[in-house]
Amino acid sequence: KNQVEQSPQSLIILEGKNCTLQCNYTVSPFSNLRWYKQDTGRGPVSLTIMTFSENTKSNGRYTATLDADTKQSSLHITASQLSDSASYICVVSAITGGGNKLTFGTGTQLKVEL
Amino acid sequence: ETGVTQSPTHLIKTRGQQVTLRCSSQSGHNTVSWYQQALGQGPQFIFQYYREEENGRGNFPPRFSGLQFPNYSSELNVNALELDDSALYLCASSLETRGWGADTQYFGPGTRLTVL
Repeated sequence: KNQVEQSPQSLIILEGKNCTLQCNYTVSPFSNLRWYKQDTGRGPVSLTIMTFSENTKSNGRYTATLDADTKQSSLHITASQLSDSASYICVVSAITGGGNKLTFGTGTQLKVEL
Repeated sequence: ETGVTQSPTHLIKTRGQQVTLRCSSQSGHNTVSWYQQALGQGPQFIFQYYREEENGRGNFPPRFSGLQFPNYSSELNVNALELDDSALYLCASSLETRGWGADTQYFGPGTRLTVL
């Protein structure tokens, strides 16, 4: 069964600090892995999308890593800001005979405080 | 803003009824995906349409059906509503070059469905 597990479930950090969110998956055959940011009551917004051959990808203060061998990914947030408070969702895409299928993690709820 | 719009914003239905949710894709996008997100959970993939044909389906029963129109807007239809269908329904559009879901998906704000 395809699964995506994220940790921690929730996280509170002080503004300006760094943090790292983890994602482990058992999805196959692997196509790509995506990180999304979802503010409360709004649709998710894409941060990064990584294919099998990509190990690291940055988008401003967000840096995602991917280890396809161990099936792990991380999202590192540098110099956190209050606006970073949101749910961060890891999504893994698999290609099957019936087309592509996305499996979502349940997200890490991040809260940045003063 | 992603350029993806959904209607209605909120909807209340009773058990057994049918509902149609609508999604207008971002201009130039040829693929739309639908998701169900229960409170406190991550989105669950319902299905995807690529150039008006279903291109992948999650673990949802046949009473969840969809359409994609020539202008690439889309509908999600749910028949025989159940209480557990209460959720935020998200659509996401993307420009897929091979129908393999490799490109960034842009999400709409969602439709909040409540089934009583």
